[in-house]
Amino acid sequence: NAGVTQTPKFRVLKTGQSMTLLCAQDMNHEYMYWYRQDPGMGLRLIHYSVGEGTTAKGEVPDGYNVSRLKKQNFLLGLESAAPSQTSVYFCASIRFGTDTQYFGPGTRLTVL
Amino acid sequence: RKEVEQDPGPFNVPEGATVAFNCTYSNSASQSFFWYRQDCRKEPKLLMSVYSSGNEDGRFTAQLNRASQYISLLIRDSKLSDSATYLCVVTRDFNKFYFGSGTKLNVKP
Repeated sequence: NAGVTQTPKFRVLKTGQSMTLLCAQDMNHEYMYWYRQDPGMGLRLIHYSVGEGTTAKGEVPDGYNVSRLKKQNFLLGLESAAPSQTSVYFCASIRFGTDTQYFGPGTRLTVL
Repeated sequence: RKEVEQDPGPFNVPEGATVAFNCTYSNSASQSFFWYRQDCRKEPKLLMSVYSSGNEDGRFTAQLNRASQYISLLIRDSKLSDSATYLCVVTRDFNKFYFGSGTKLNVKP
């Protein structure tokens, strides 16, 4: 099993550009999450999904959109990137009925 | 007010030392509690869950005090490989996890 994978690992954007981050898990987990981690701060929840076709907002959803068209994939989109979105983005998944989160390796995004 | 607060450290200790971290949470409705470990530039990984009765896993002991709303992690006989950032995590709704900003531990030879 690959577990949770994230694509890309690194990306540099210019202000105003758009991009999509892909999270994929092969563990058949129902719940998936997107977090951002900034220096000196804990992980903050952006959006999450409790199943295919459903998404919900977390603590810091502004400027991001998500989609979960397939159970194994959770996409995070930035429509118009801003320097404030420079961060490390982590995806995680959980099997329903458990509380152990499995994280992907992260995507380091820099917005110039 | 932050959901979860931790002393950022760093805690600098020699090998073999015992070190303890505390974490406080603000919402009394918090349901589940965890310690995660995060190595530099890596993803967080679950270290242990924390139960009201306390739990121990080898050199690591976690305690929960619901009345005072704090969680502790004790590491005995510290190893160089224990150097990392330790994240305190609580859940309120099953779906939502709230992370502290982490406590950095440096174990020196």
